[in-house]
Amino acid sequence: GAVVSQHPSWVICKSGTSVKIECRSLDFQATTMFWYRQFPKQSLMLMATSNEGSKATYEQGVEKDKFLINHASLTLSTLTVTSAHPEDSSFYICSATSGKDHNEQFFGPGTRLTVL
Amino acid sequence: GQNIDQPTEMTATEGAIVQINCTYQTSGFNGLFWYQQHAGEAPTFLSYNVLDGLEEKGRFSSFLSRSKGYSYLLLKELQMKDSASYLCAVLDSNYQLIWGAGTKLIIKP
Repeated sequence: GAVVSQHPSWVICKSGTSVKIECRSLDFQATTMFWYRQFPKQSLMLMATSNEGSKATYEQGVEKDKFLINHASLTLSTLTVTSAHPEDSSFYICSATSGKDHNEQFFGPGTRLTVL
Repeated sequence: GQNIDQPTEMTATEGAIVQINCTYQTSGFNGLFWYQQHAGEAPTFLSYNVLDGLEEKGRFSSFLSRSKGYSYLLLKELQMKDSASYLCAVLDSNYQLIWGAGTKLIIKP
């Protein structure tokens, strides 16, 4: 149990376009979902925390108008990178918790975004 | 501020034992996690400690001392596939995970 999927696994887009990444909890209801970004050889950087039906809480330095997060249901959260630029190229990972199991975060497989 | 320290990189030999240390200073404590992350992949859960002591799970064990703000991950009978980054993370008083920078473990034959 506790499987989280992400789609797409990788995406290449042109500078200035928008990209949407989906994160789904497949076999549990996720009370909270997290979005991380990871640059090569660096640790995870939390971008935002979202709870179903409410606005996401963004970490300092993360532009909420650029990284739109929608957590419309207990099993789906989406991250949209608007007007992507090459510096947005990164590995984006979502995770989800059910509020049980000592708040363990279950991670999706990640999405590698390359902006040309 | 909140801070988690772990070595940047460690090297060990196949078949040997290695201990990866993690020290933390956080606002509150609701548990400590160890995750394994292979290059290009998402982290996978290894262990969770909330009480002092040693938790053993196969070749991997994790230890916690809350009074010292210290944990370690012990890997026995190292295999080449254990080459990965090992991330220490603490759940603070707000139930937010504070991540260490990770320790890259290199296993040599």
